[in-house]
Amino acid sequence: QVQLVQSGAEVKKPGASVKVSCKASGYTFTSYDINWVRQATGQGLEWMGWMNPNSGNTGYAQKFQGRVTMTRNTSISTAYMELSSLRSEDTAVYYCARDNGDSLDYWGQGTLVTVSS
Amino acid sequence: DIQLTQSPSFLSASVGDRVTITCRASQGISSYLAWYQQKPGKAPKLLIYAASTLQSGVPSRFSGSGSGTEFTLTISSLQPEDFATYYCQQLNSYPHTFGPGTKVDIK
Repeated sequence: QVQLVQSGAEVKKPGASVKVSCKASGYTFTSYDINWVRQATGQGLEWMGWMNPNSGNTGYAQKFQGRVTMTRNTSISTAYMELSSLRSEDTAVYYCARDNGDSLDYWGQGTLVTVSS
Repeated sequence: DIQLTQSPSFLSASVGDRVTITCRASQGISSYLAWYQQKPGKAPKLLIYAASTLQSGVPSRFSGSGSGTEFTLTISSLQPEDFATYYCQQLNSYPHTFGPGTKVDIK
């Protein structure tokens, strides 16, 4: 069965970076894009960007351009999202999700990133 | 960027009610729209894709319709497990924006 398993919760200081991992299983990792979505507490879903695990090509929402980097390691079927220059407003749950072209059909369990001094 | 609006933002309903949520896009997106259900503390769950196709395993009381700029999600007979927040998402062009959500609460 398809599964996306994310790394554990992180606490970071303002100005630091965080790298969240997303390990895929149950399907061919390089056949589907991975999207990243975040959700601040009590707020809606915010789309951050996409990565093609086959080519490594990426696309980011303008809001995150210059601060976010999405990468992958195909040998271990794992995608990564790194966000730099963290501020308190980046405190949120970060999700990875598989993009099948029509929808985000499988989601990771979410990773809470807390930014606090 | 394509903006999505949802109405209502909040809906109070009873078990057995028919519920309709509307999602409007700021420009035409053909049928590239998905609907998700999210419960507190959980990841979103895909319900509908391509505006009207039911995801495998999703109960048939959920249905979607629309194309272009106006879309609806209908729950034909609300069940206790359906109390949640519902989001639409457009996948016509990047960024793949989400609507602000509709919370369905118990009356």
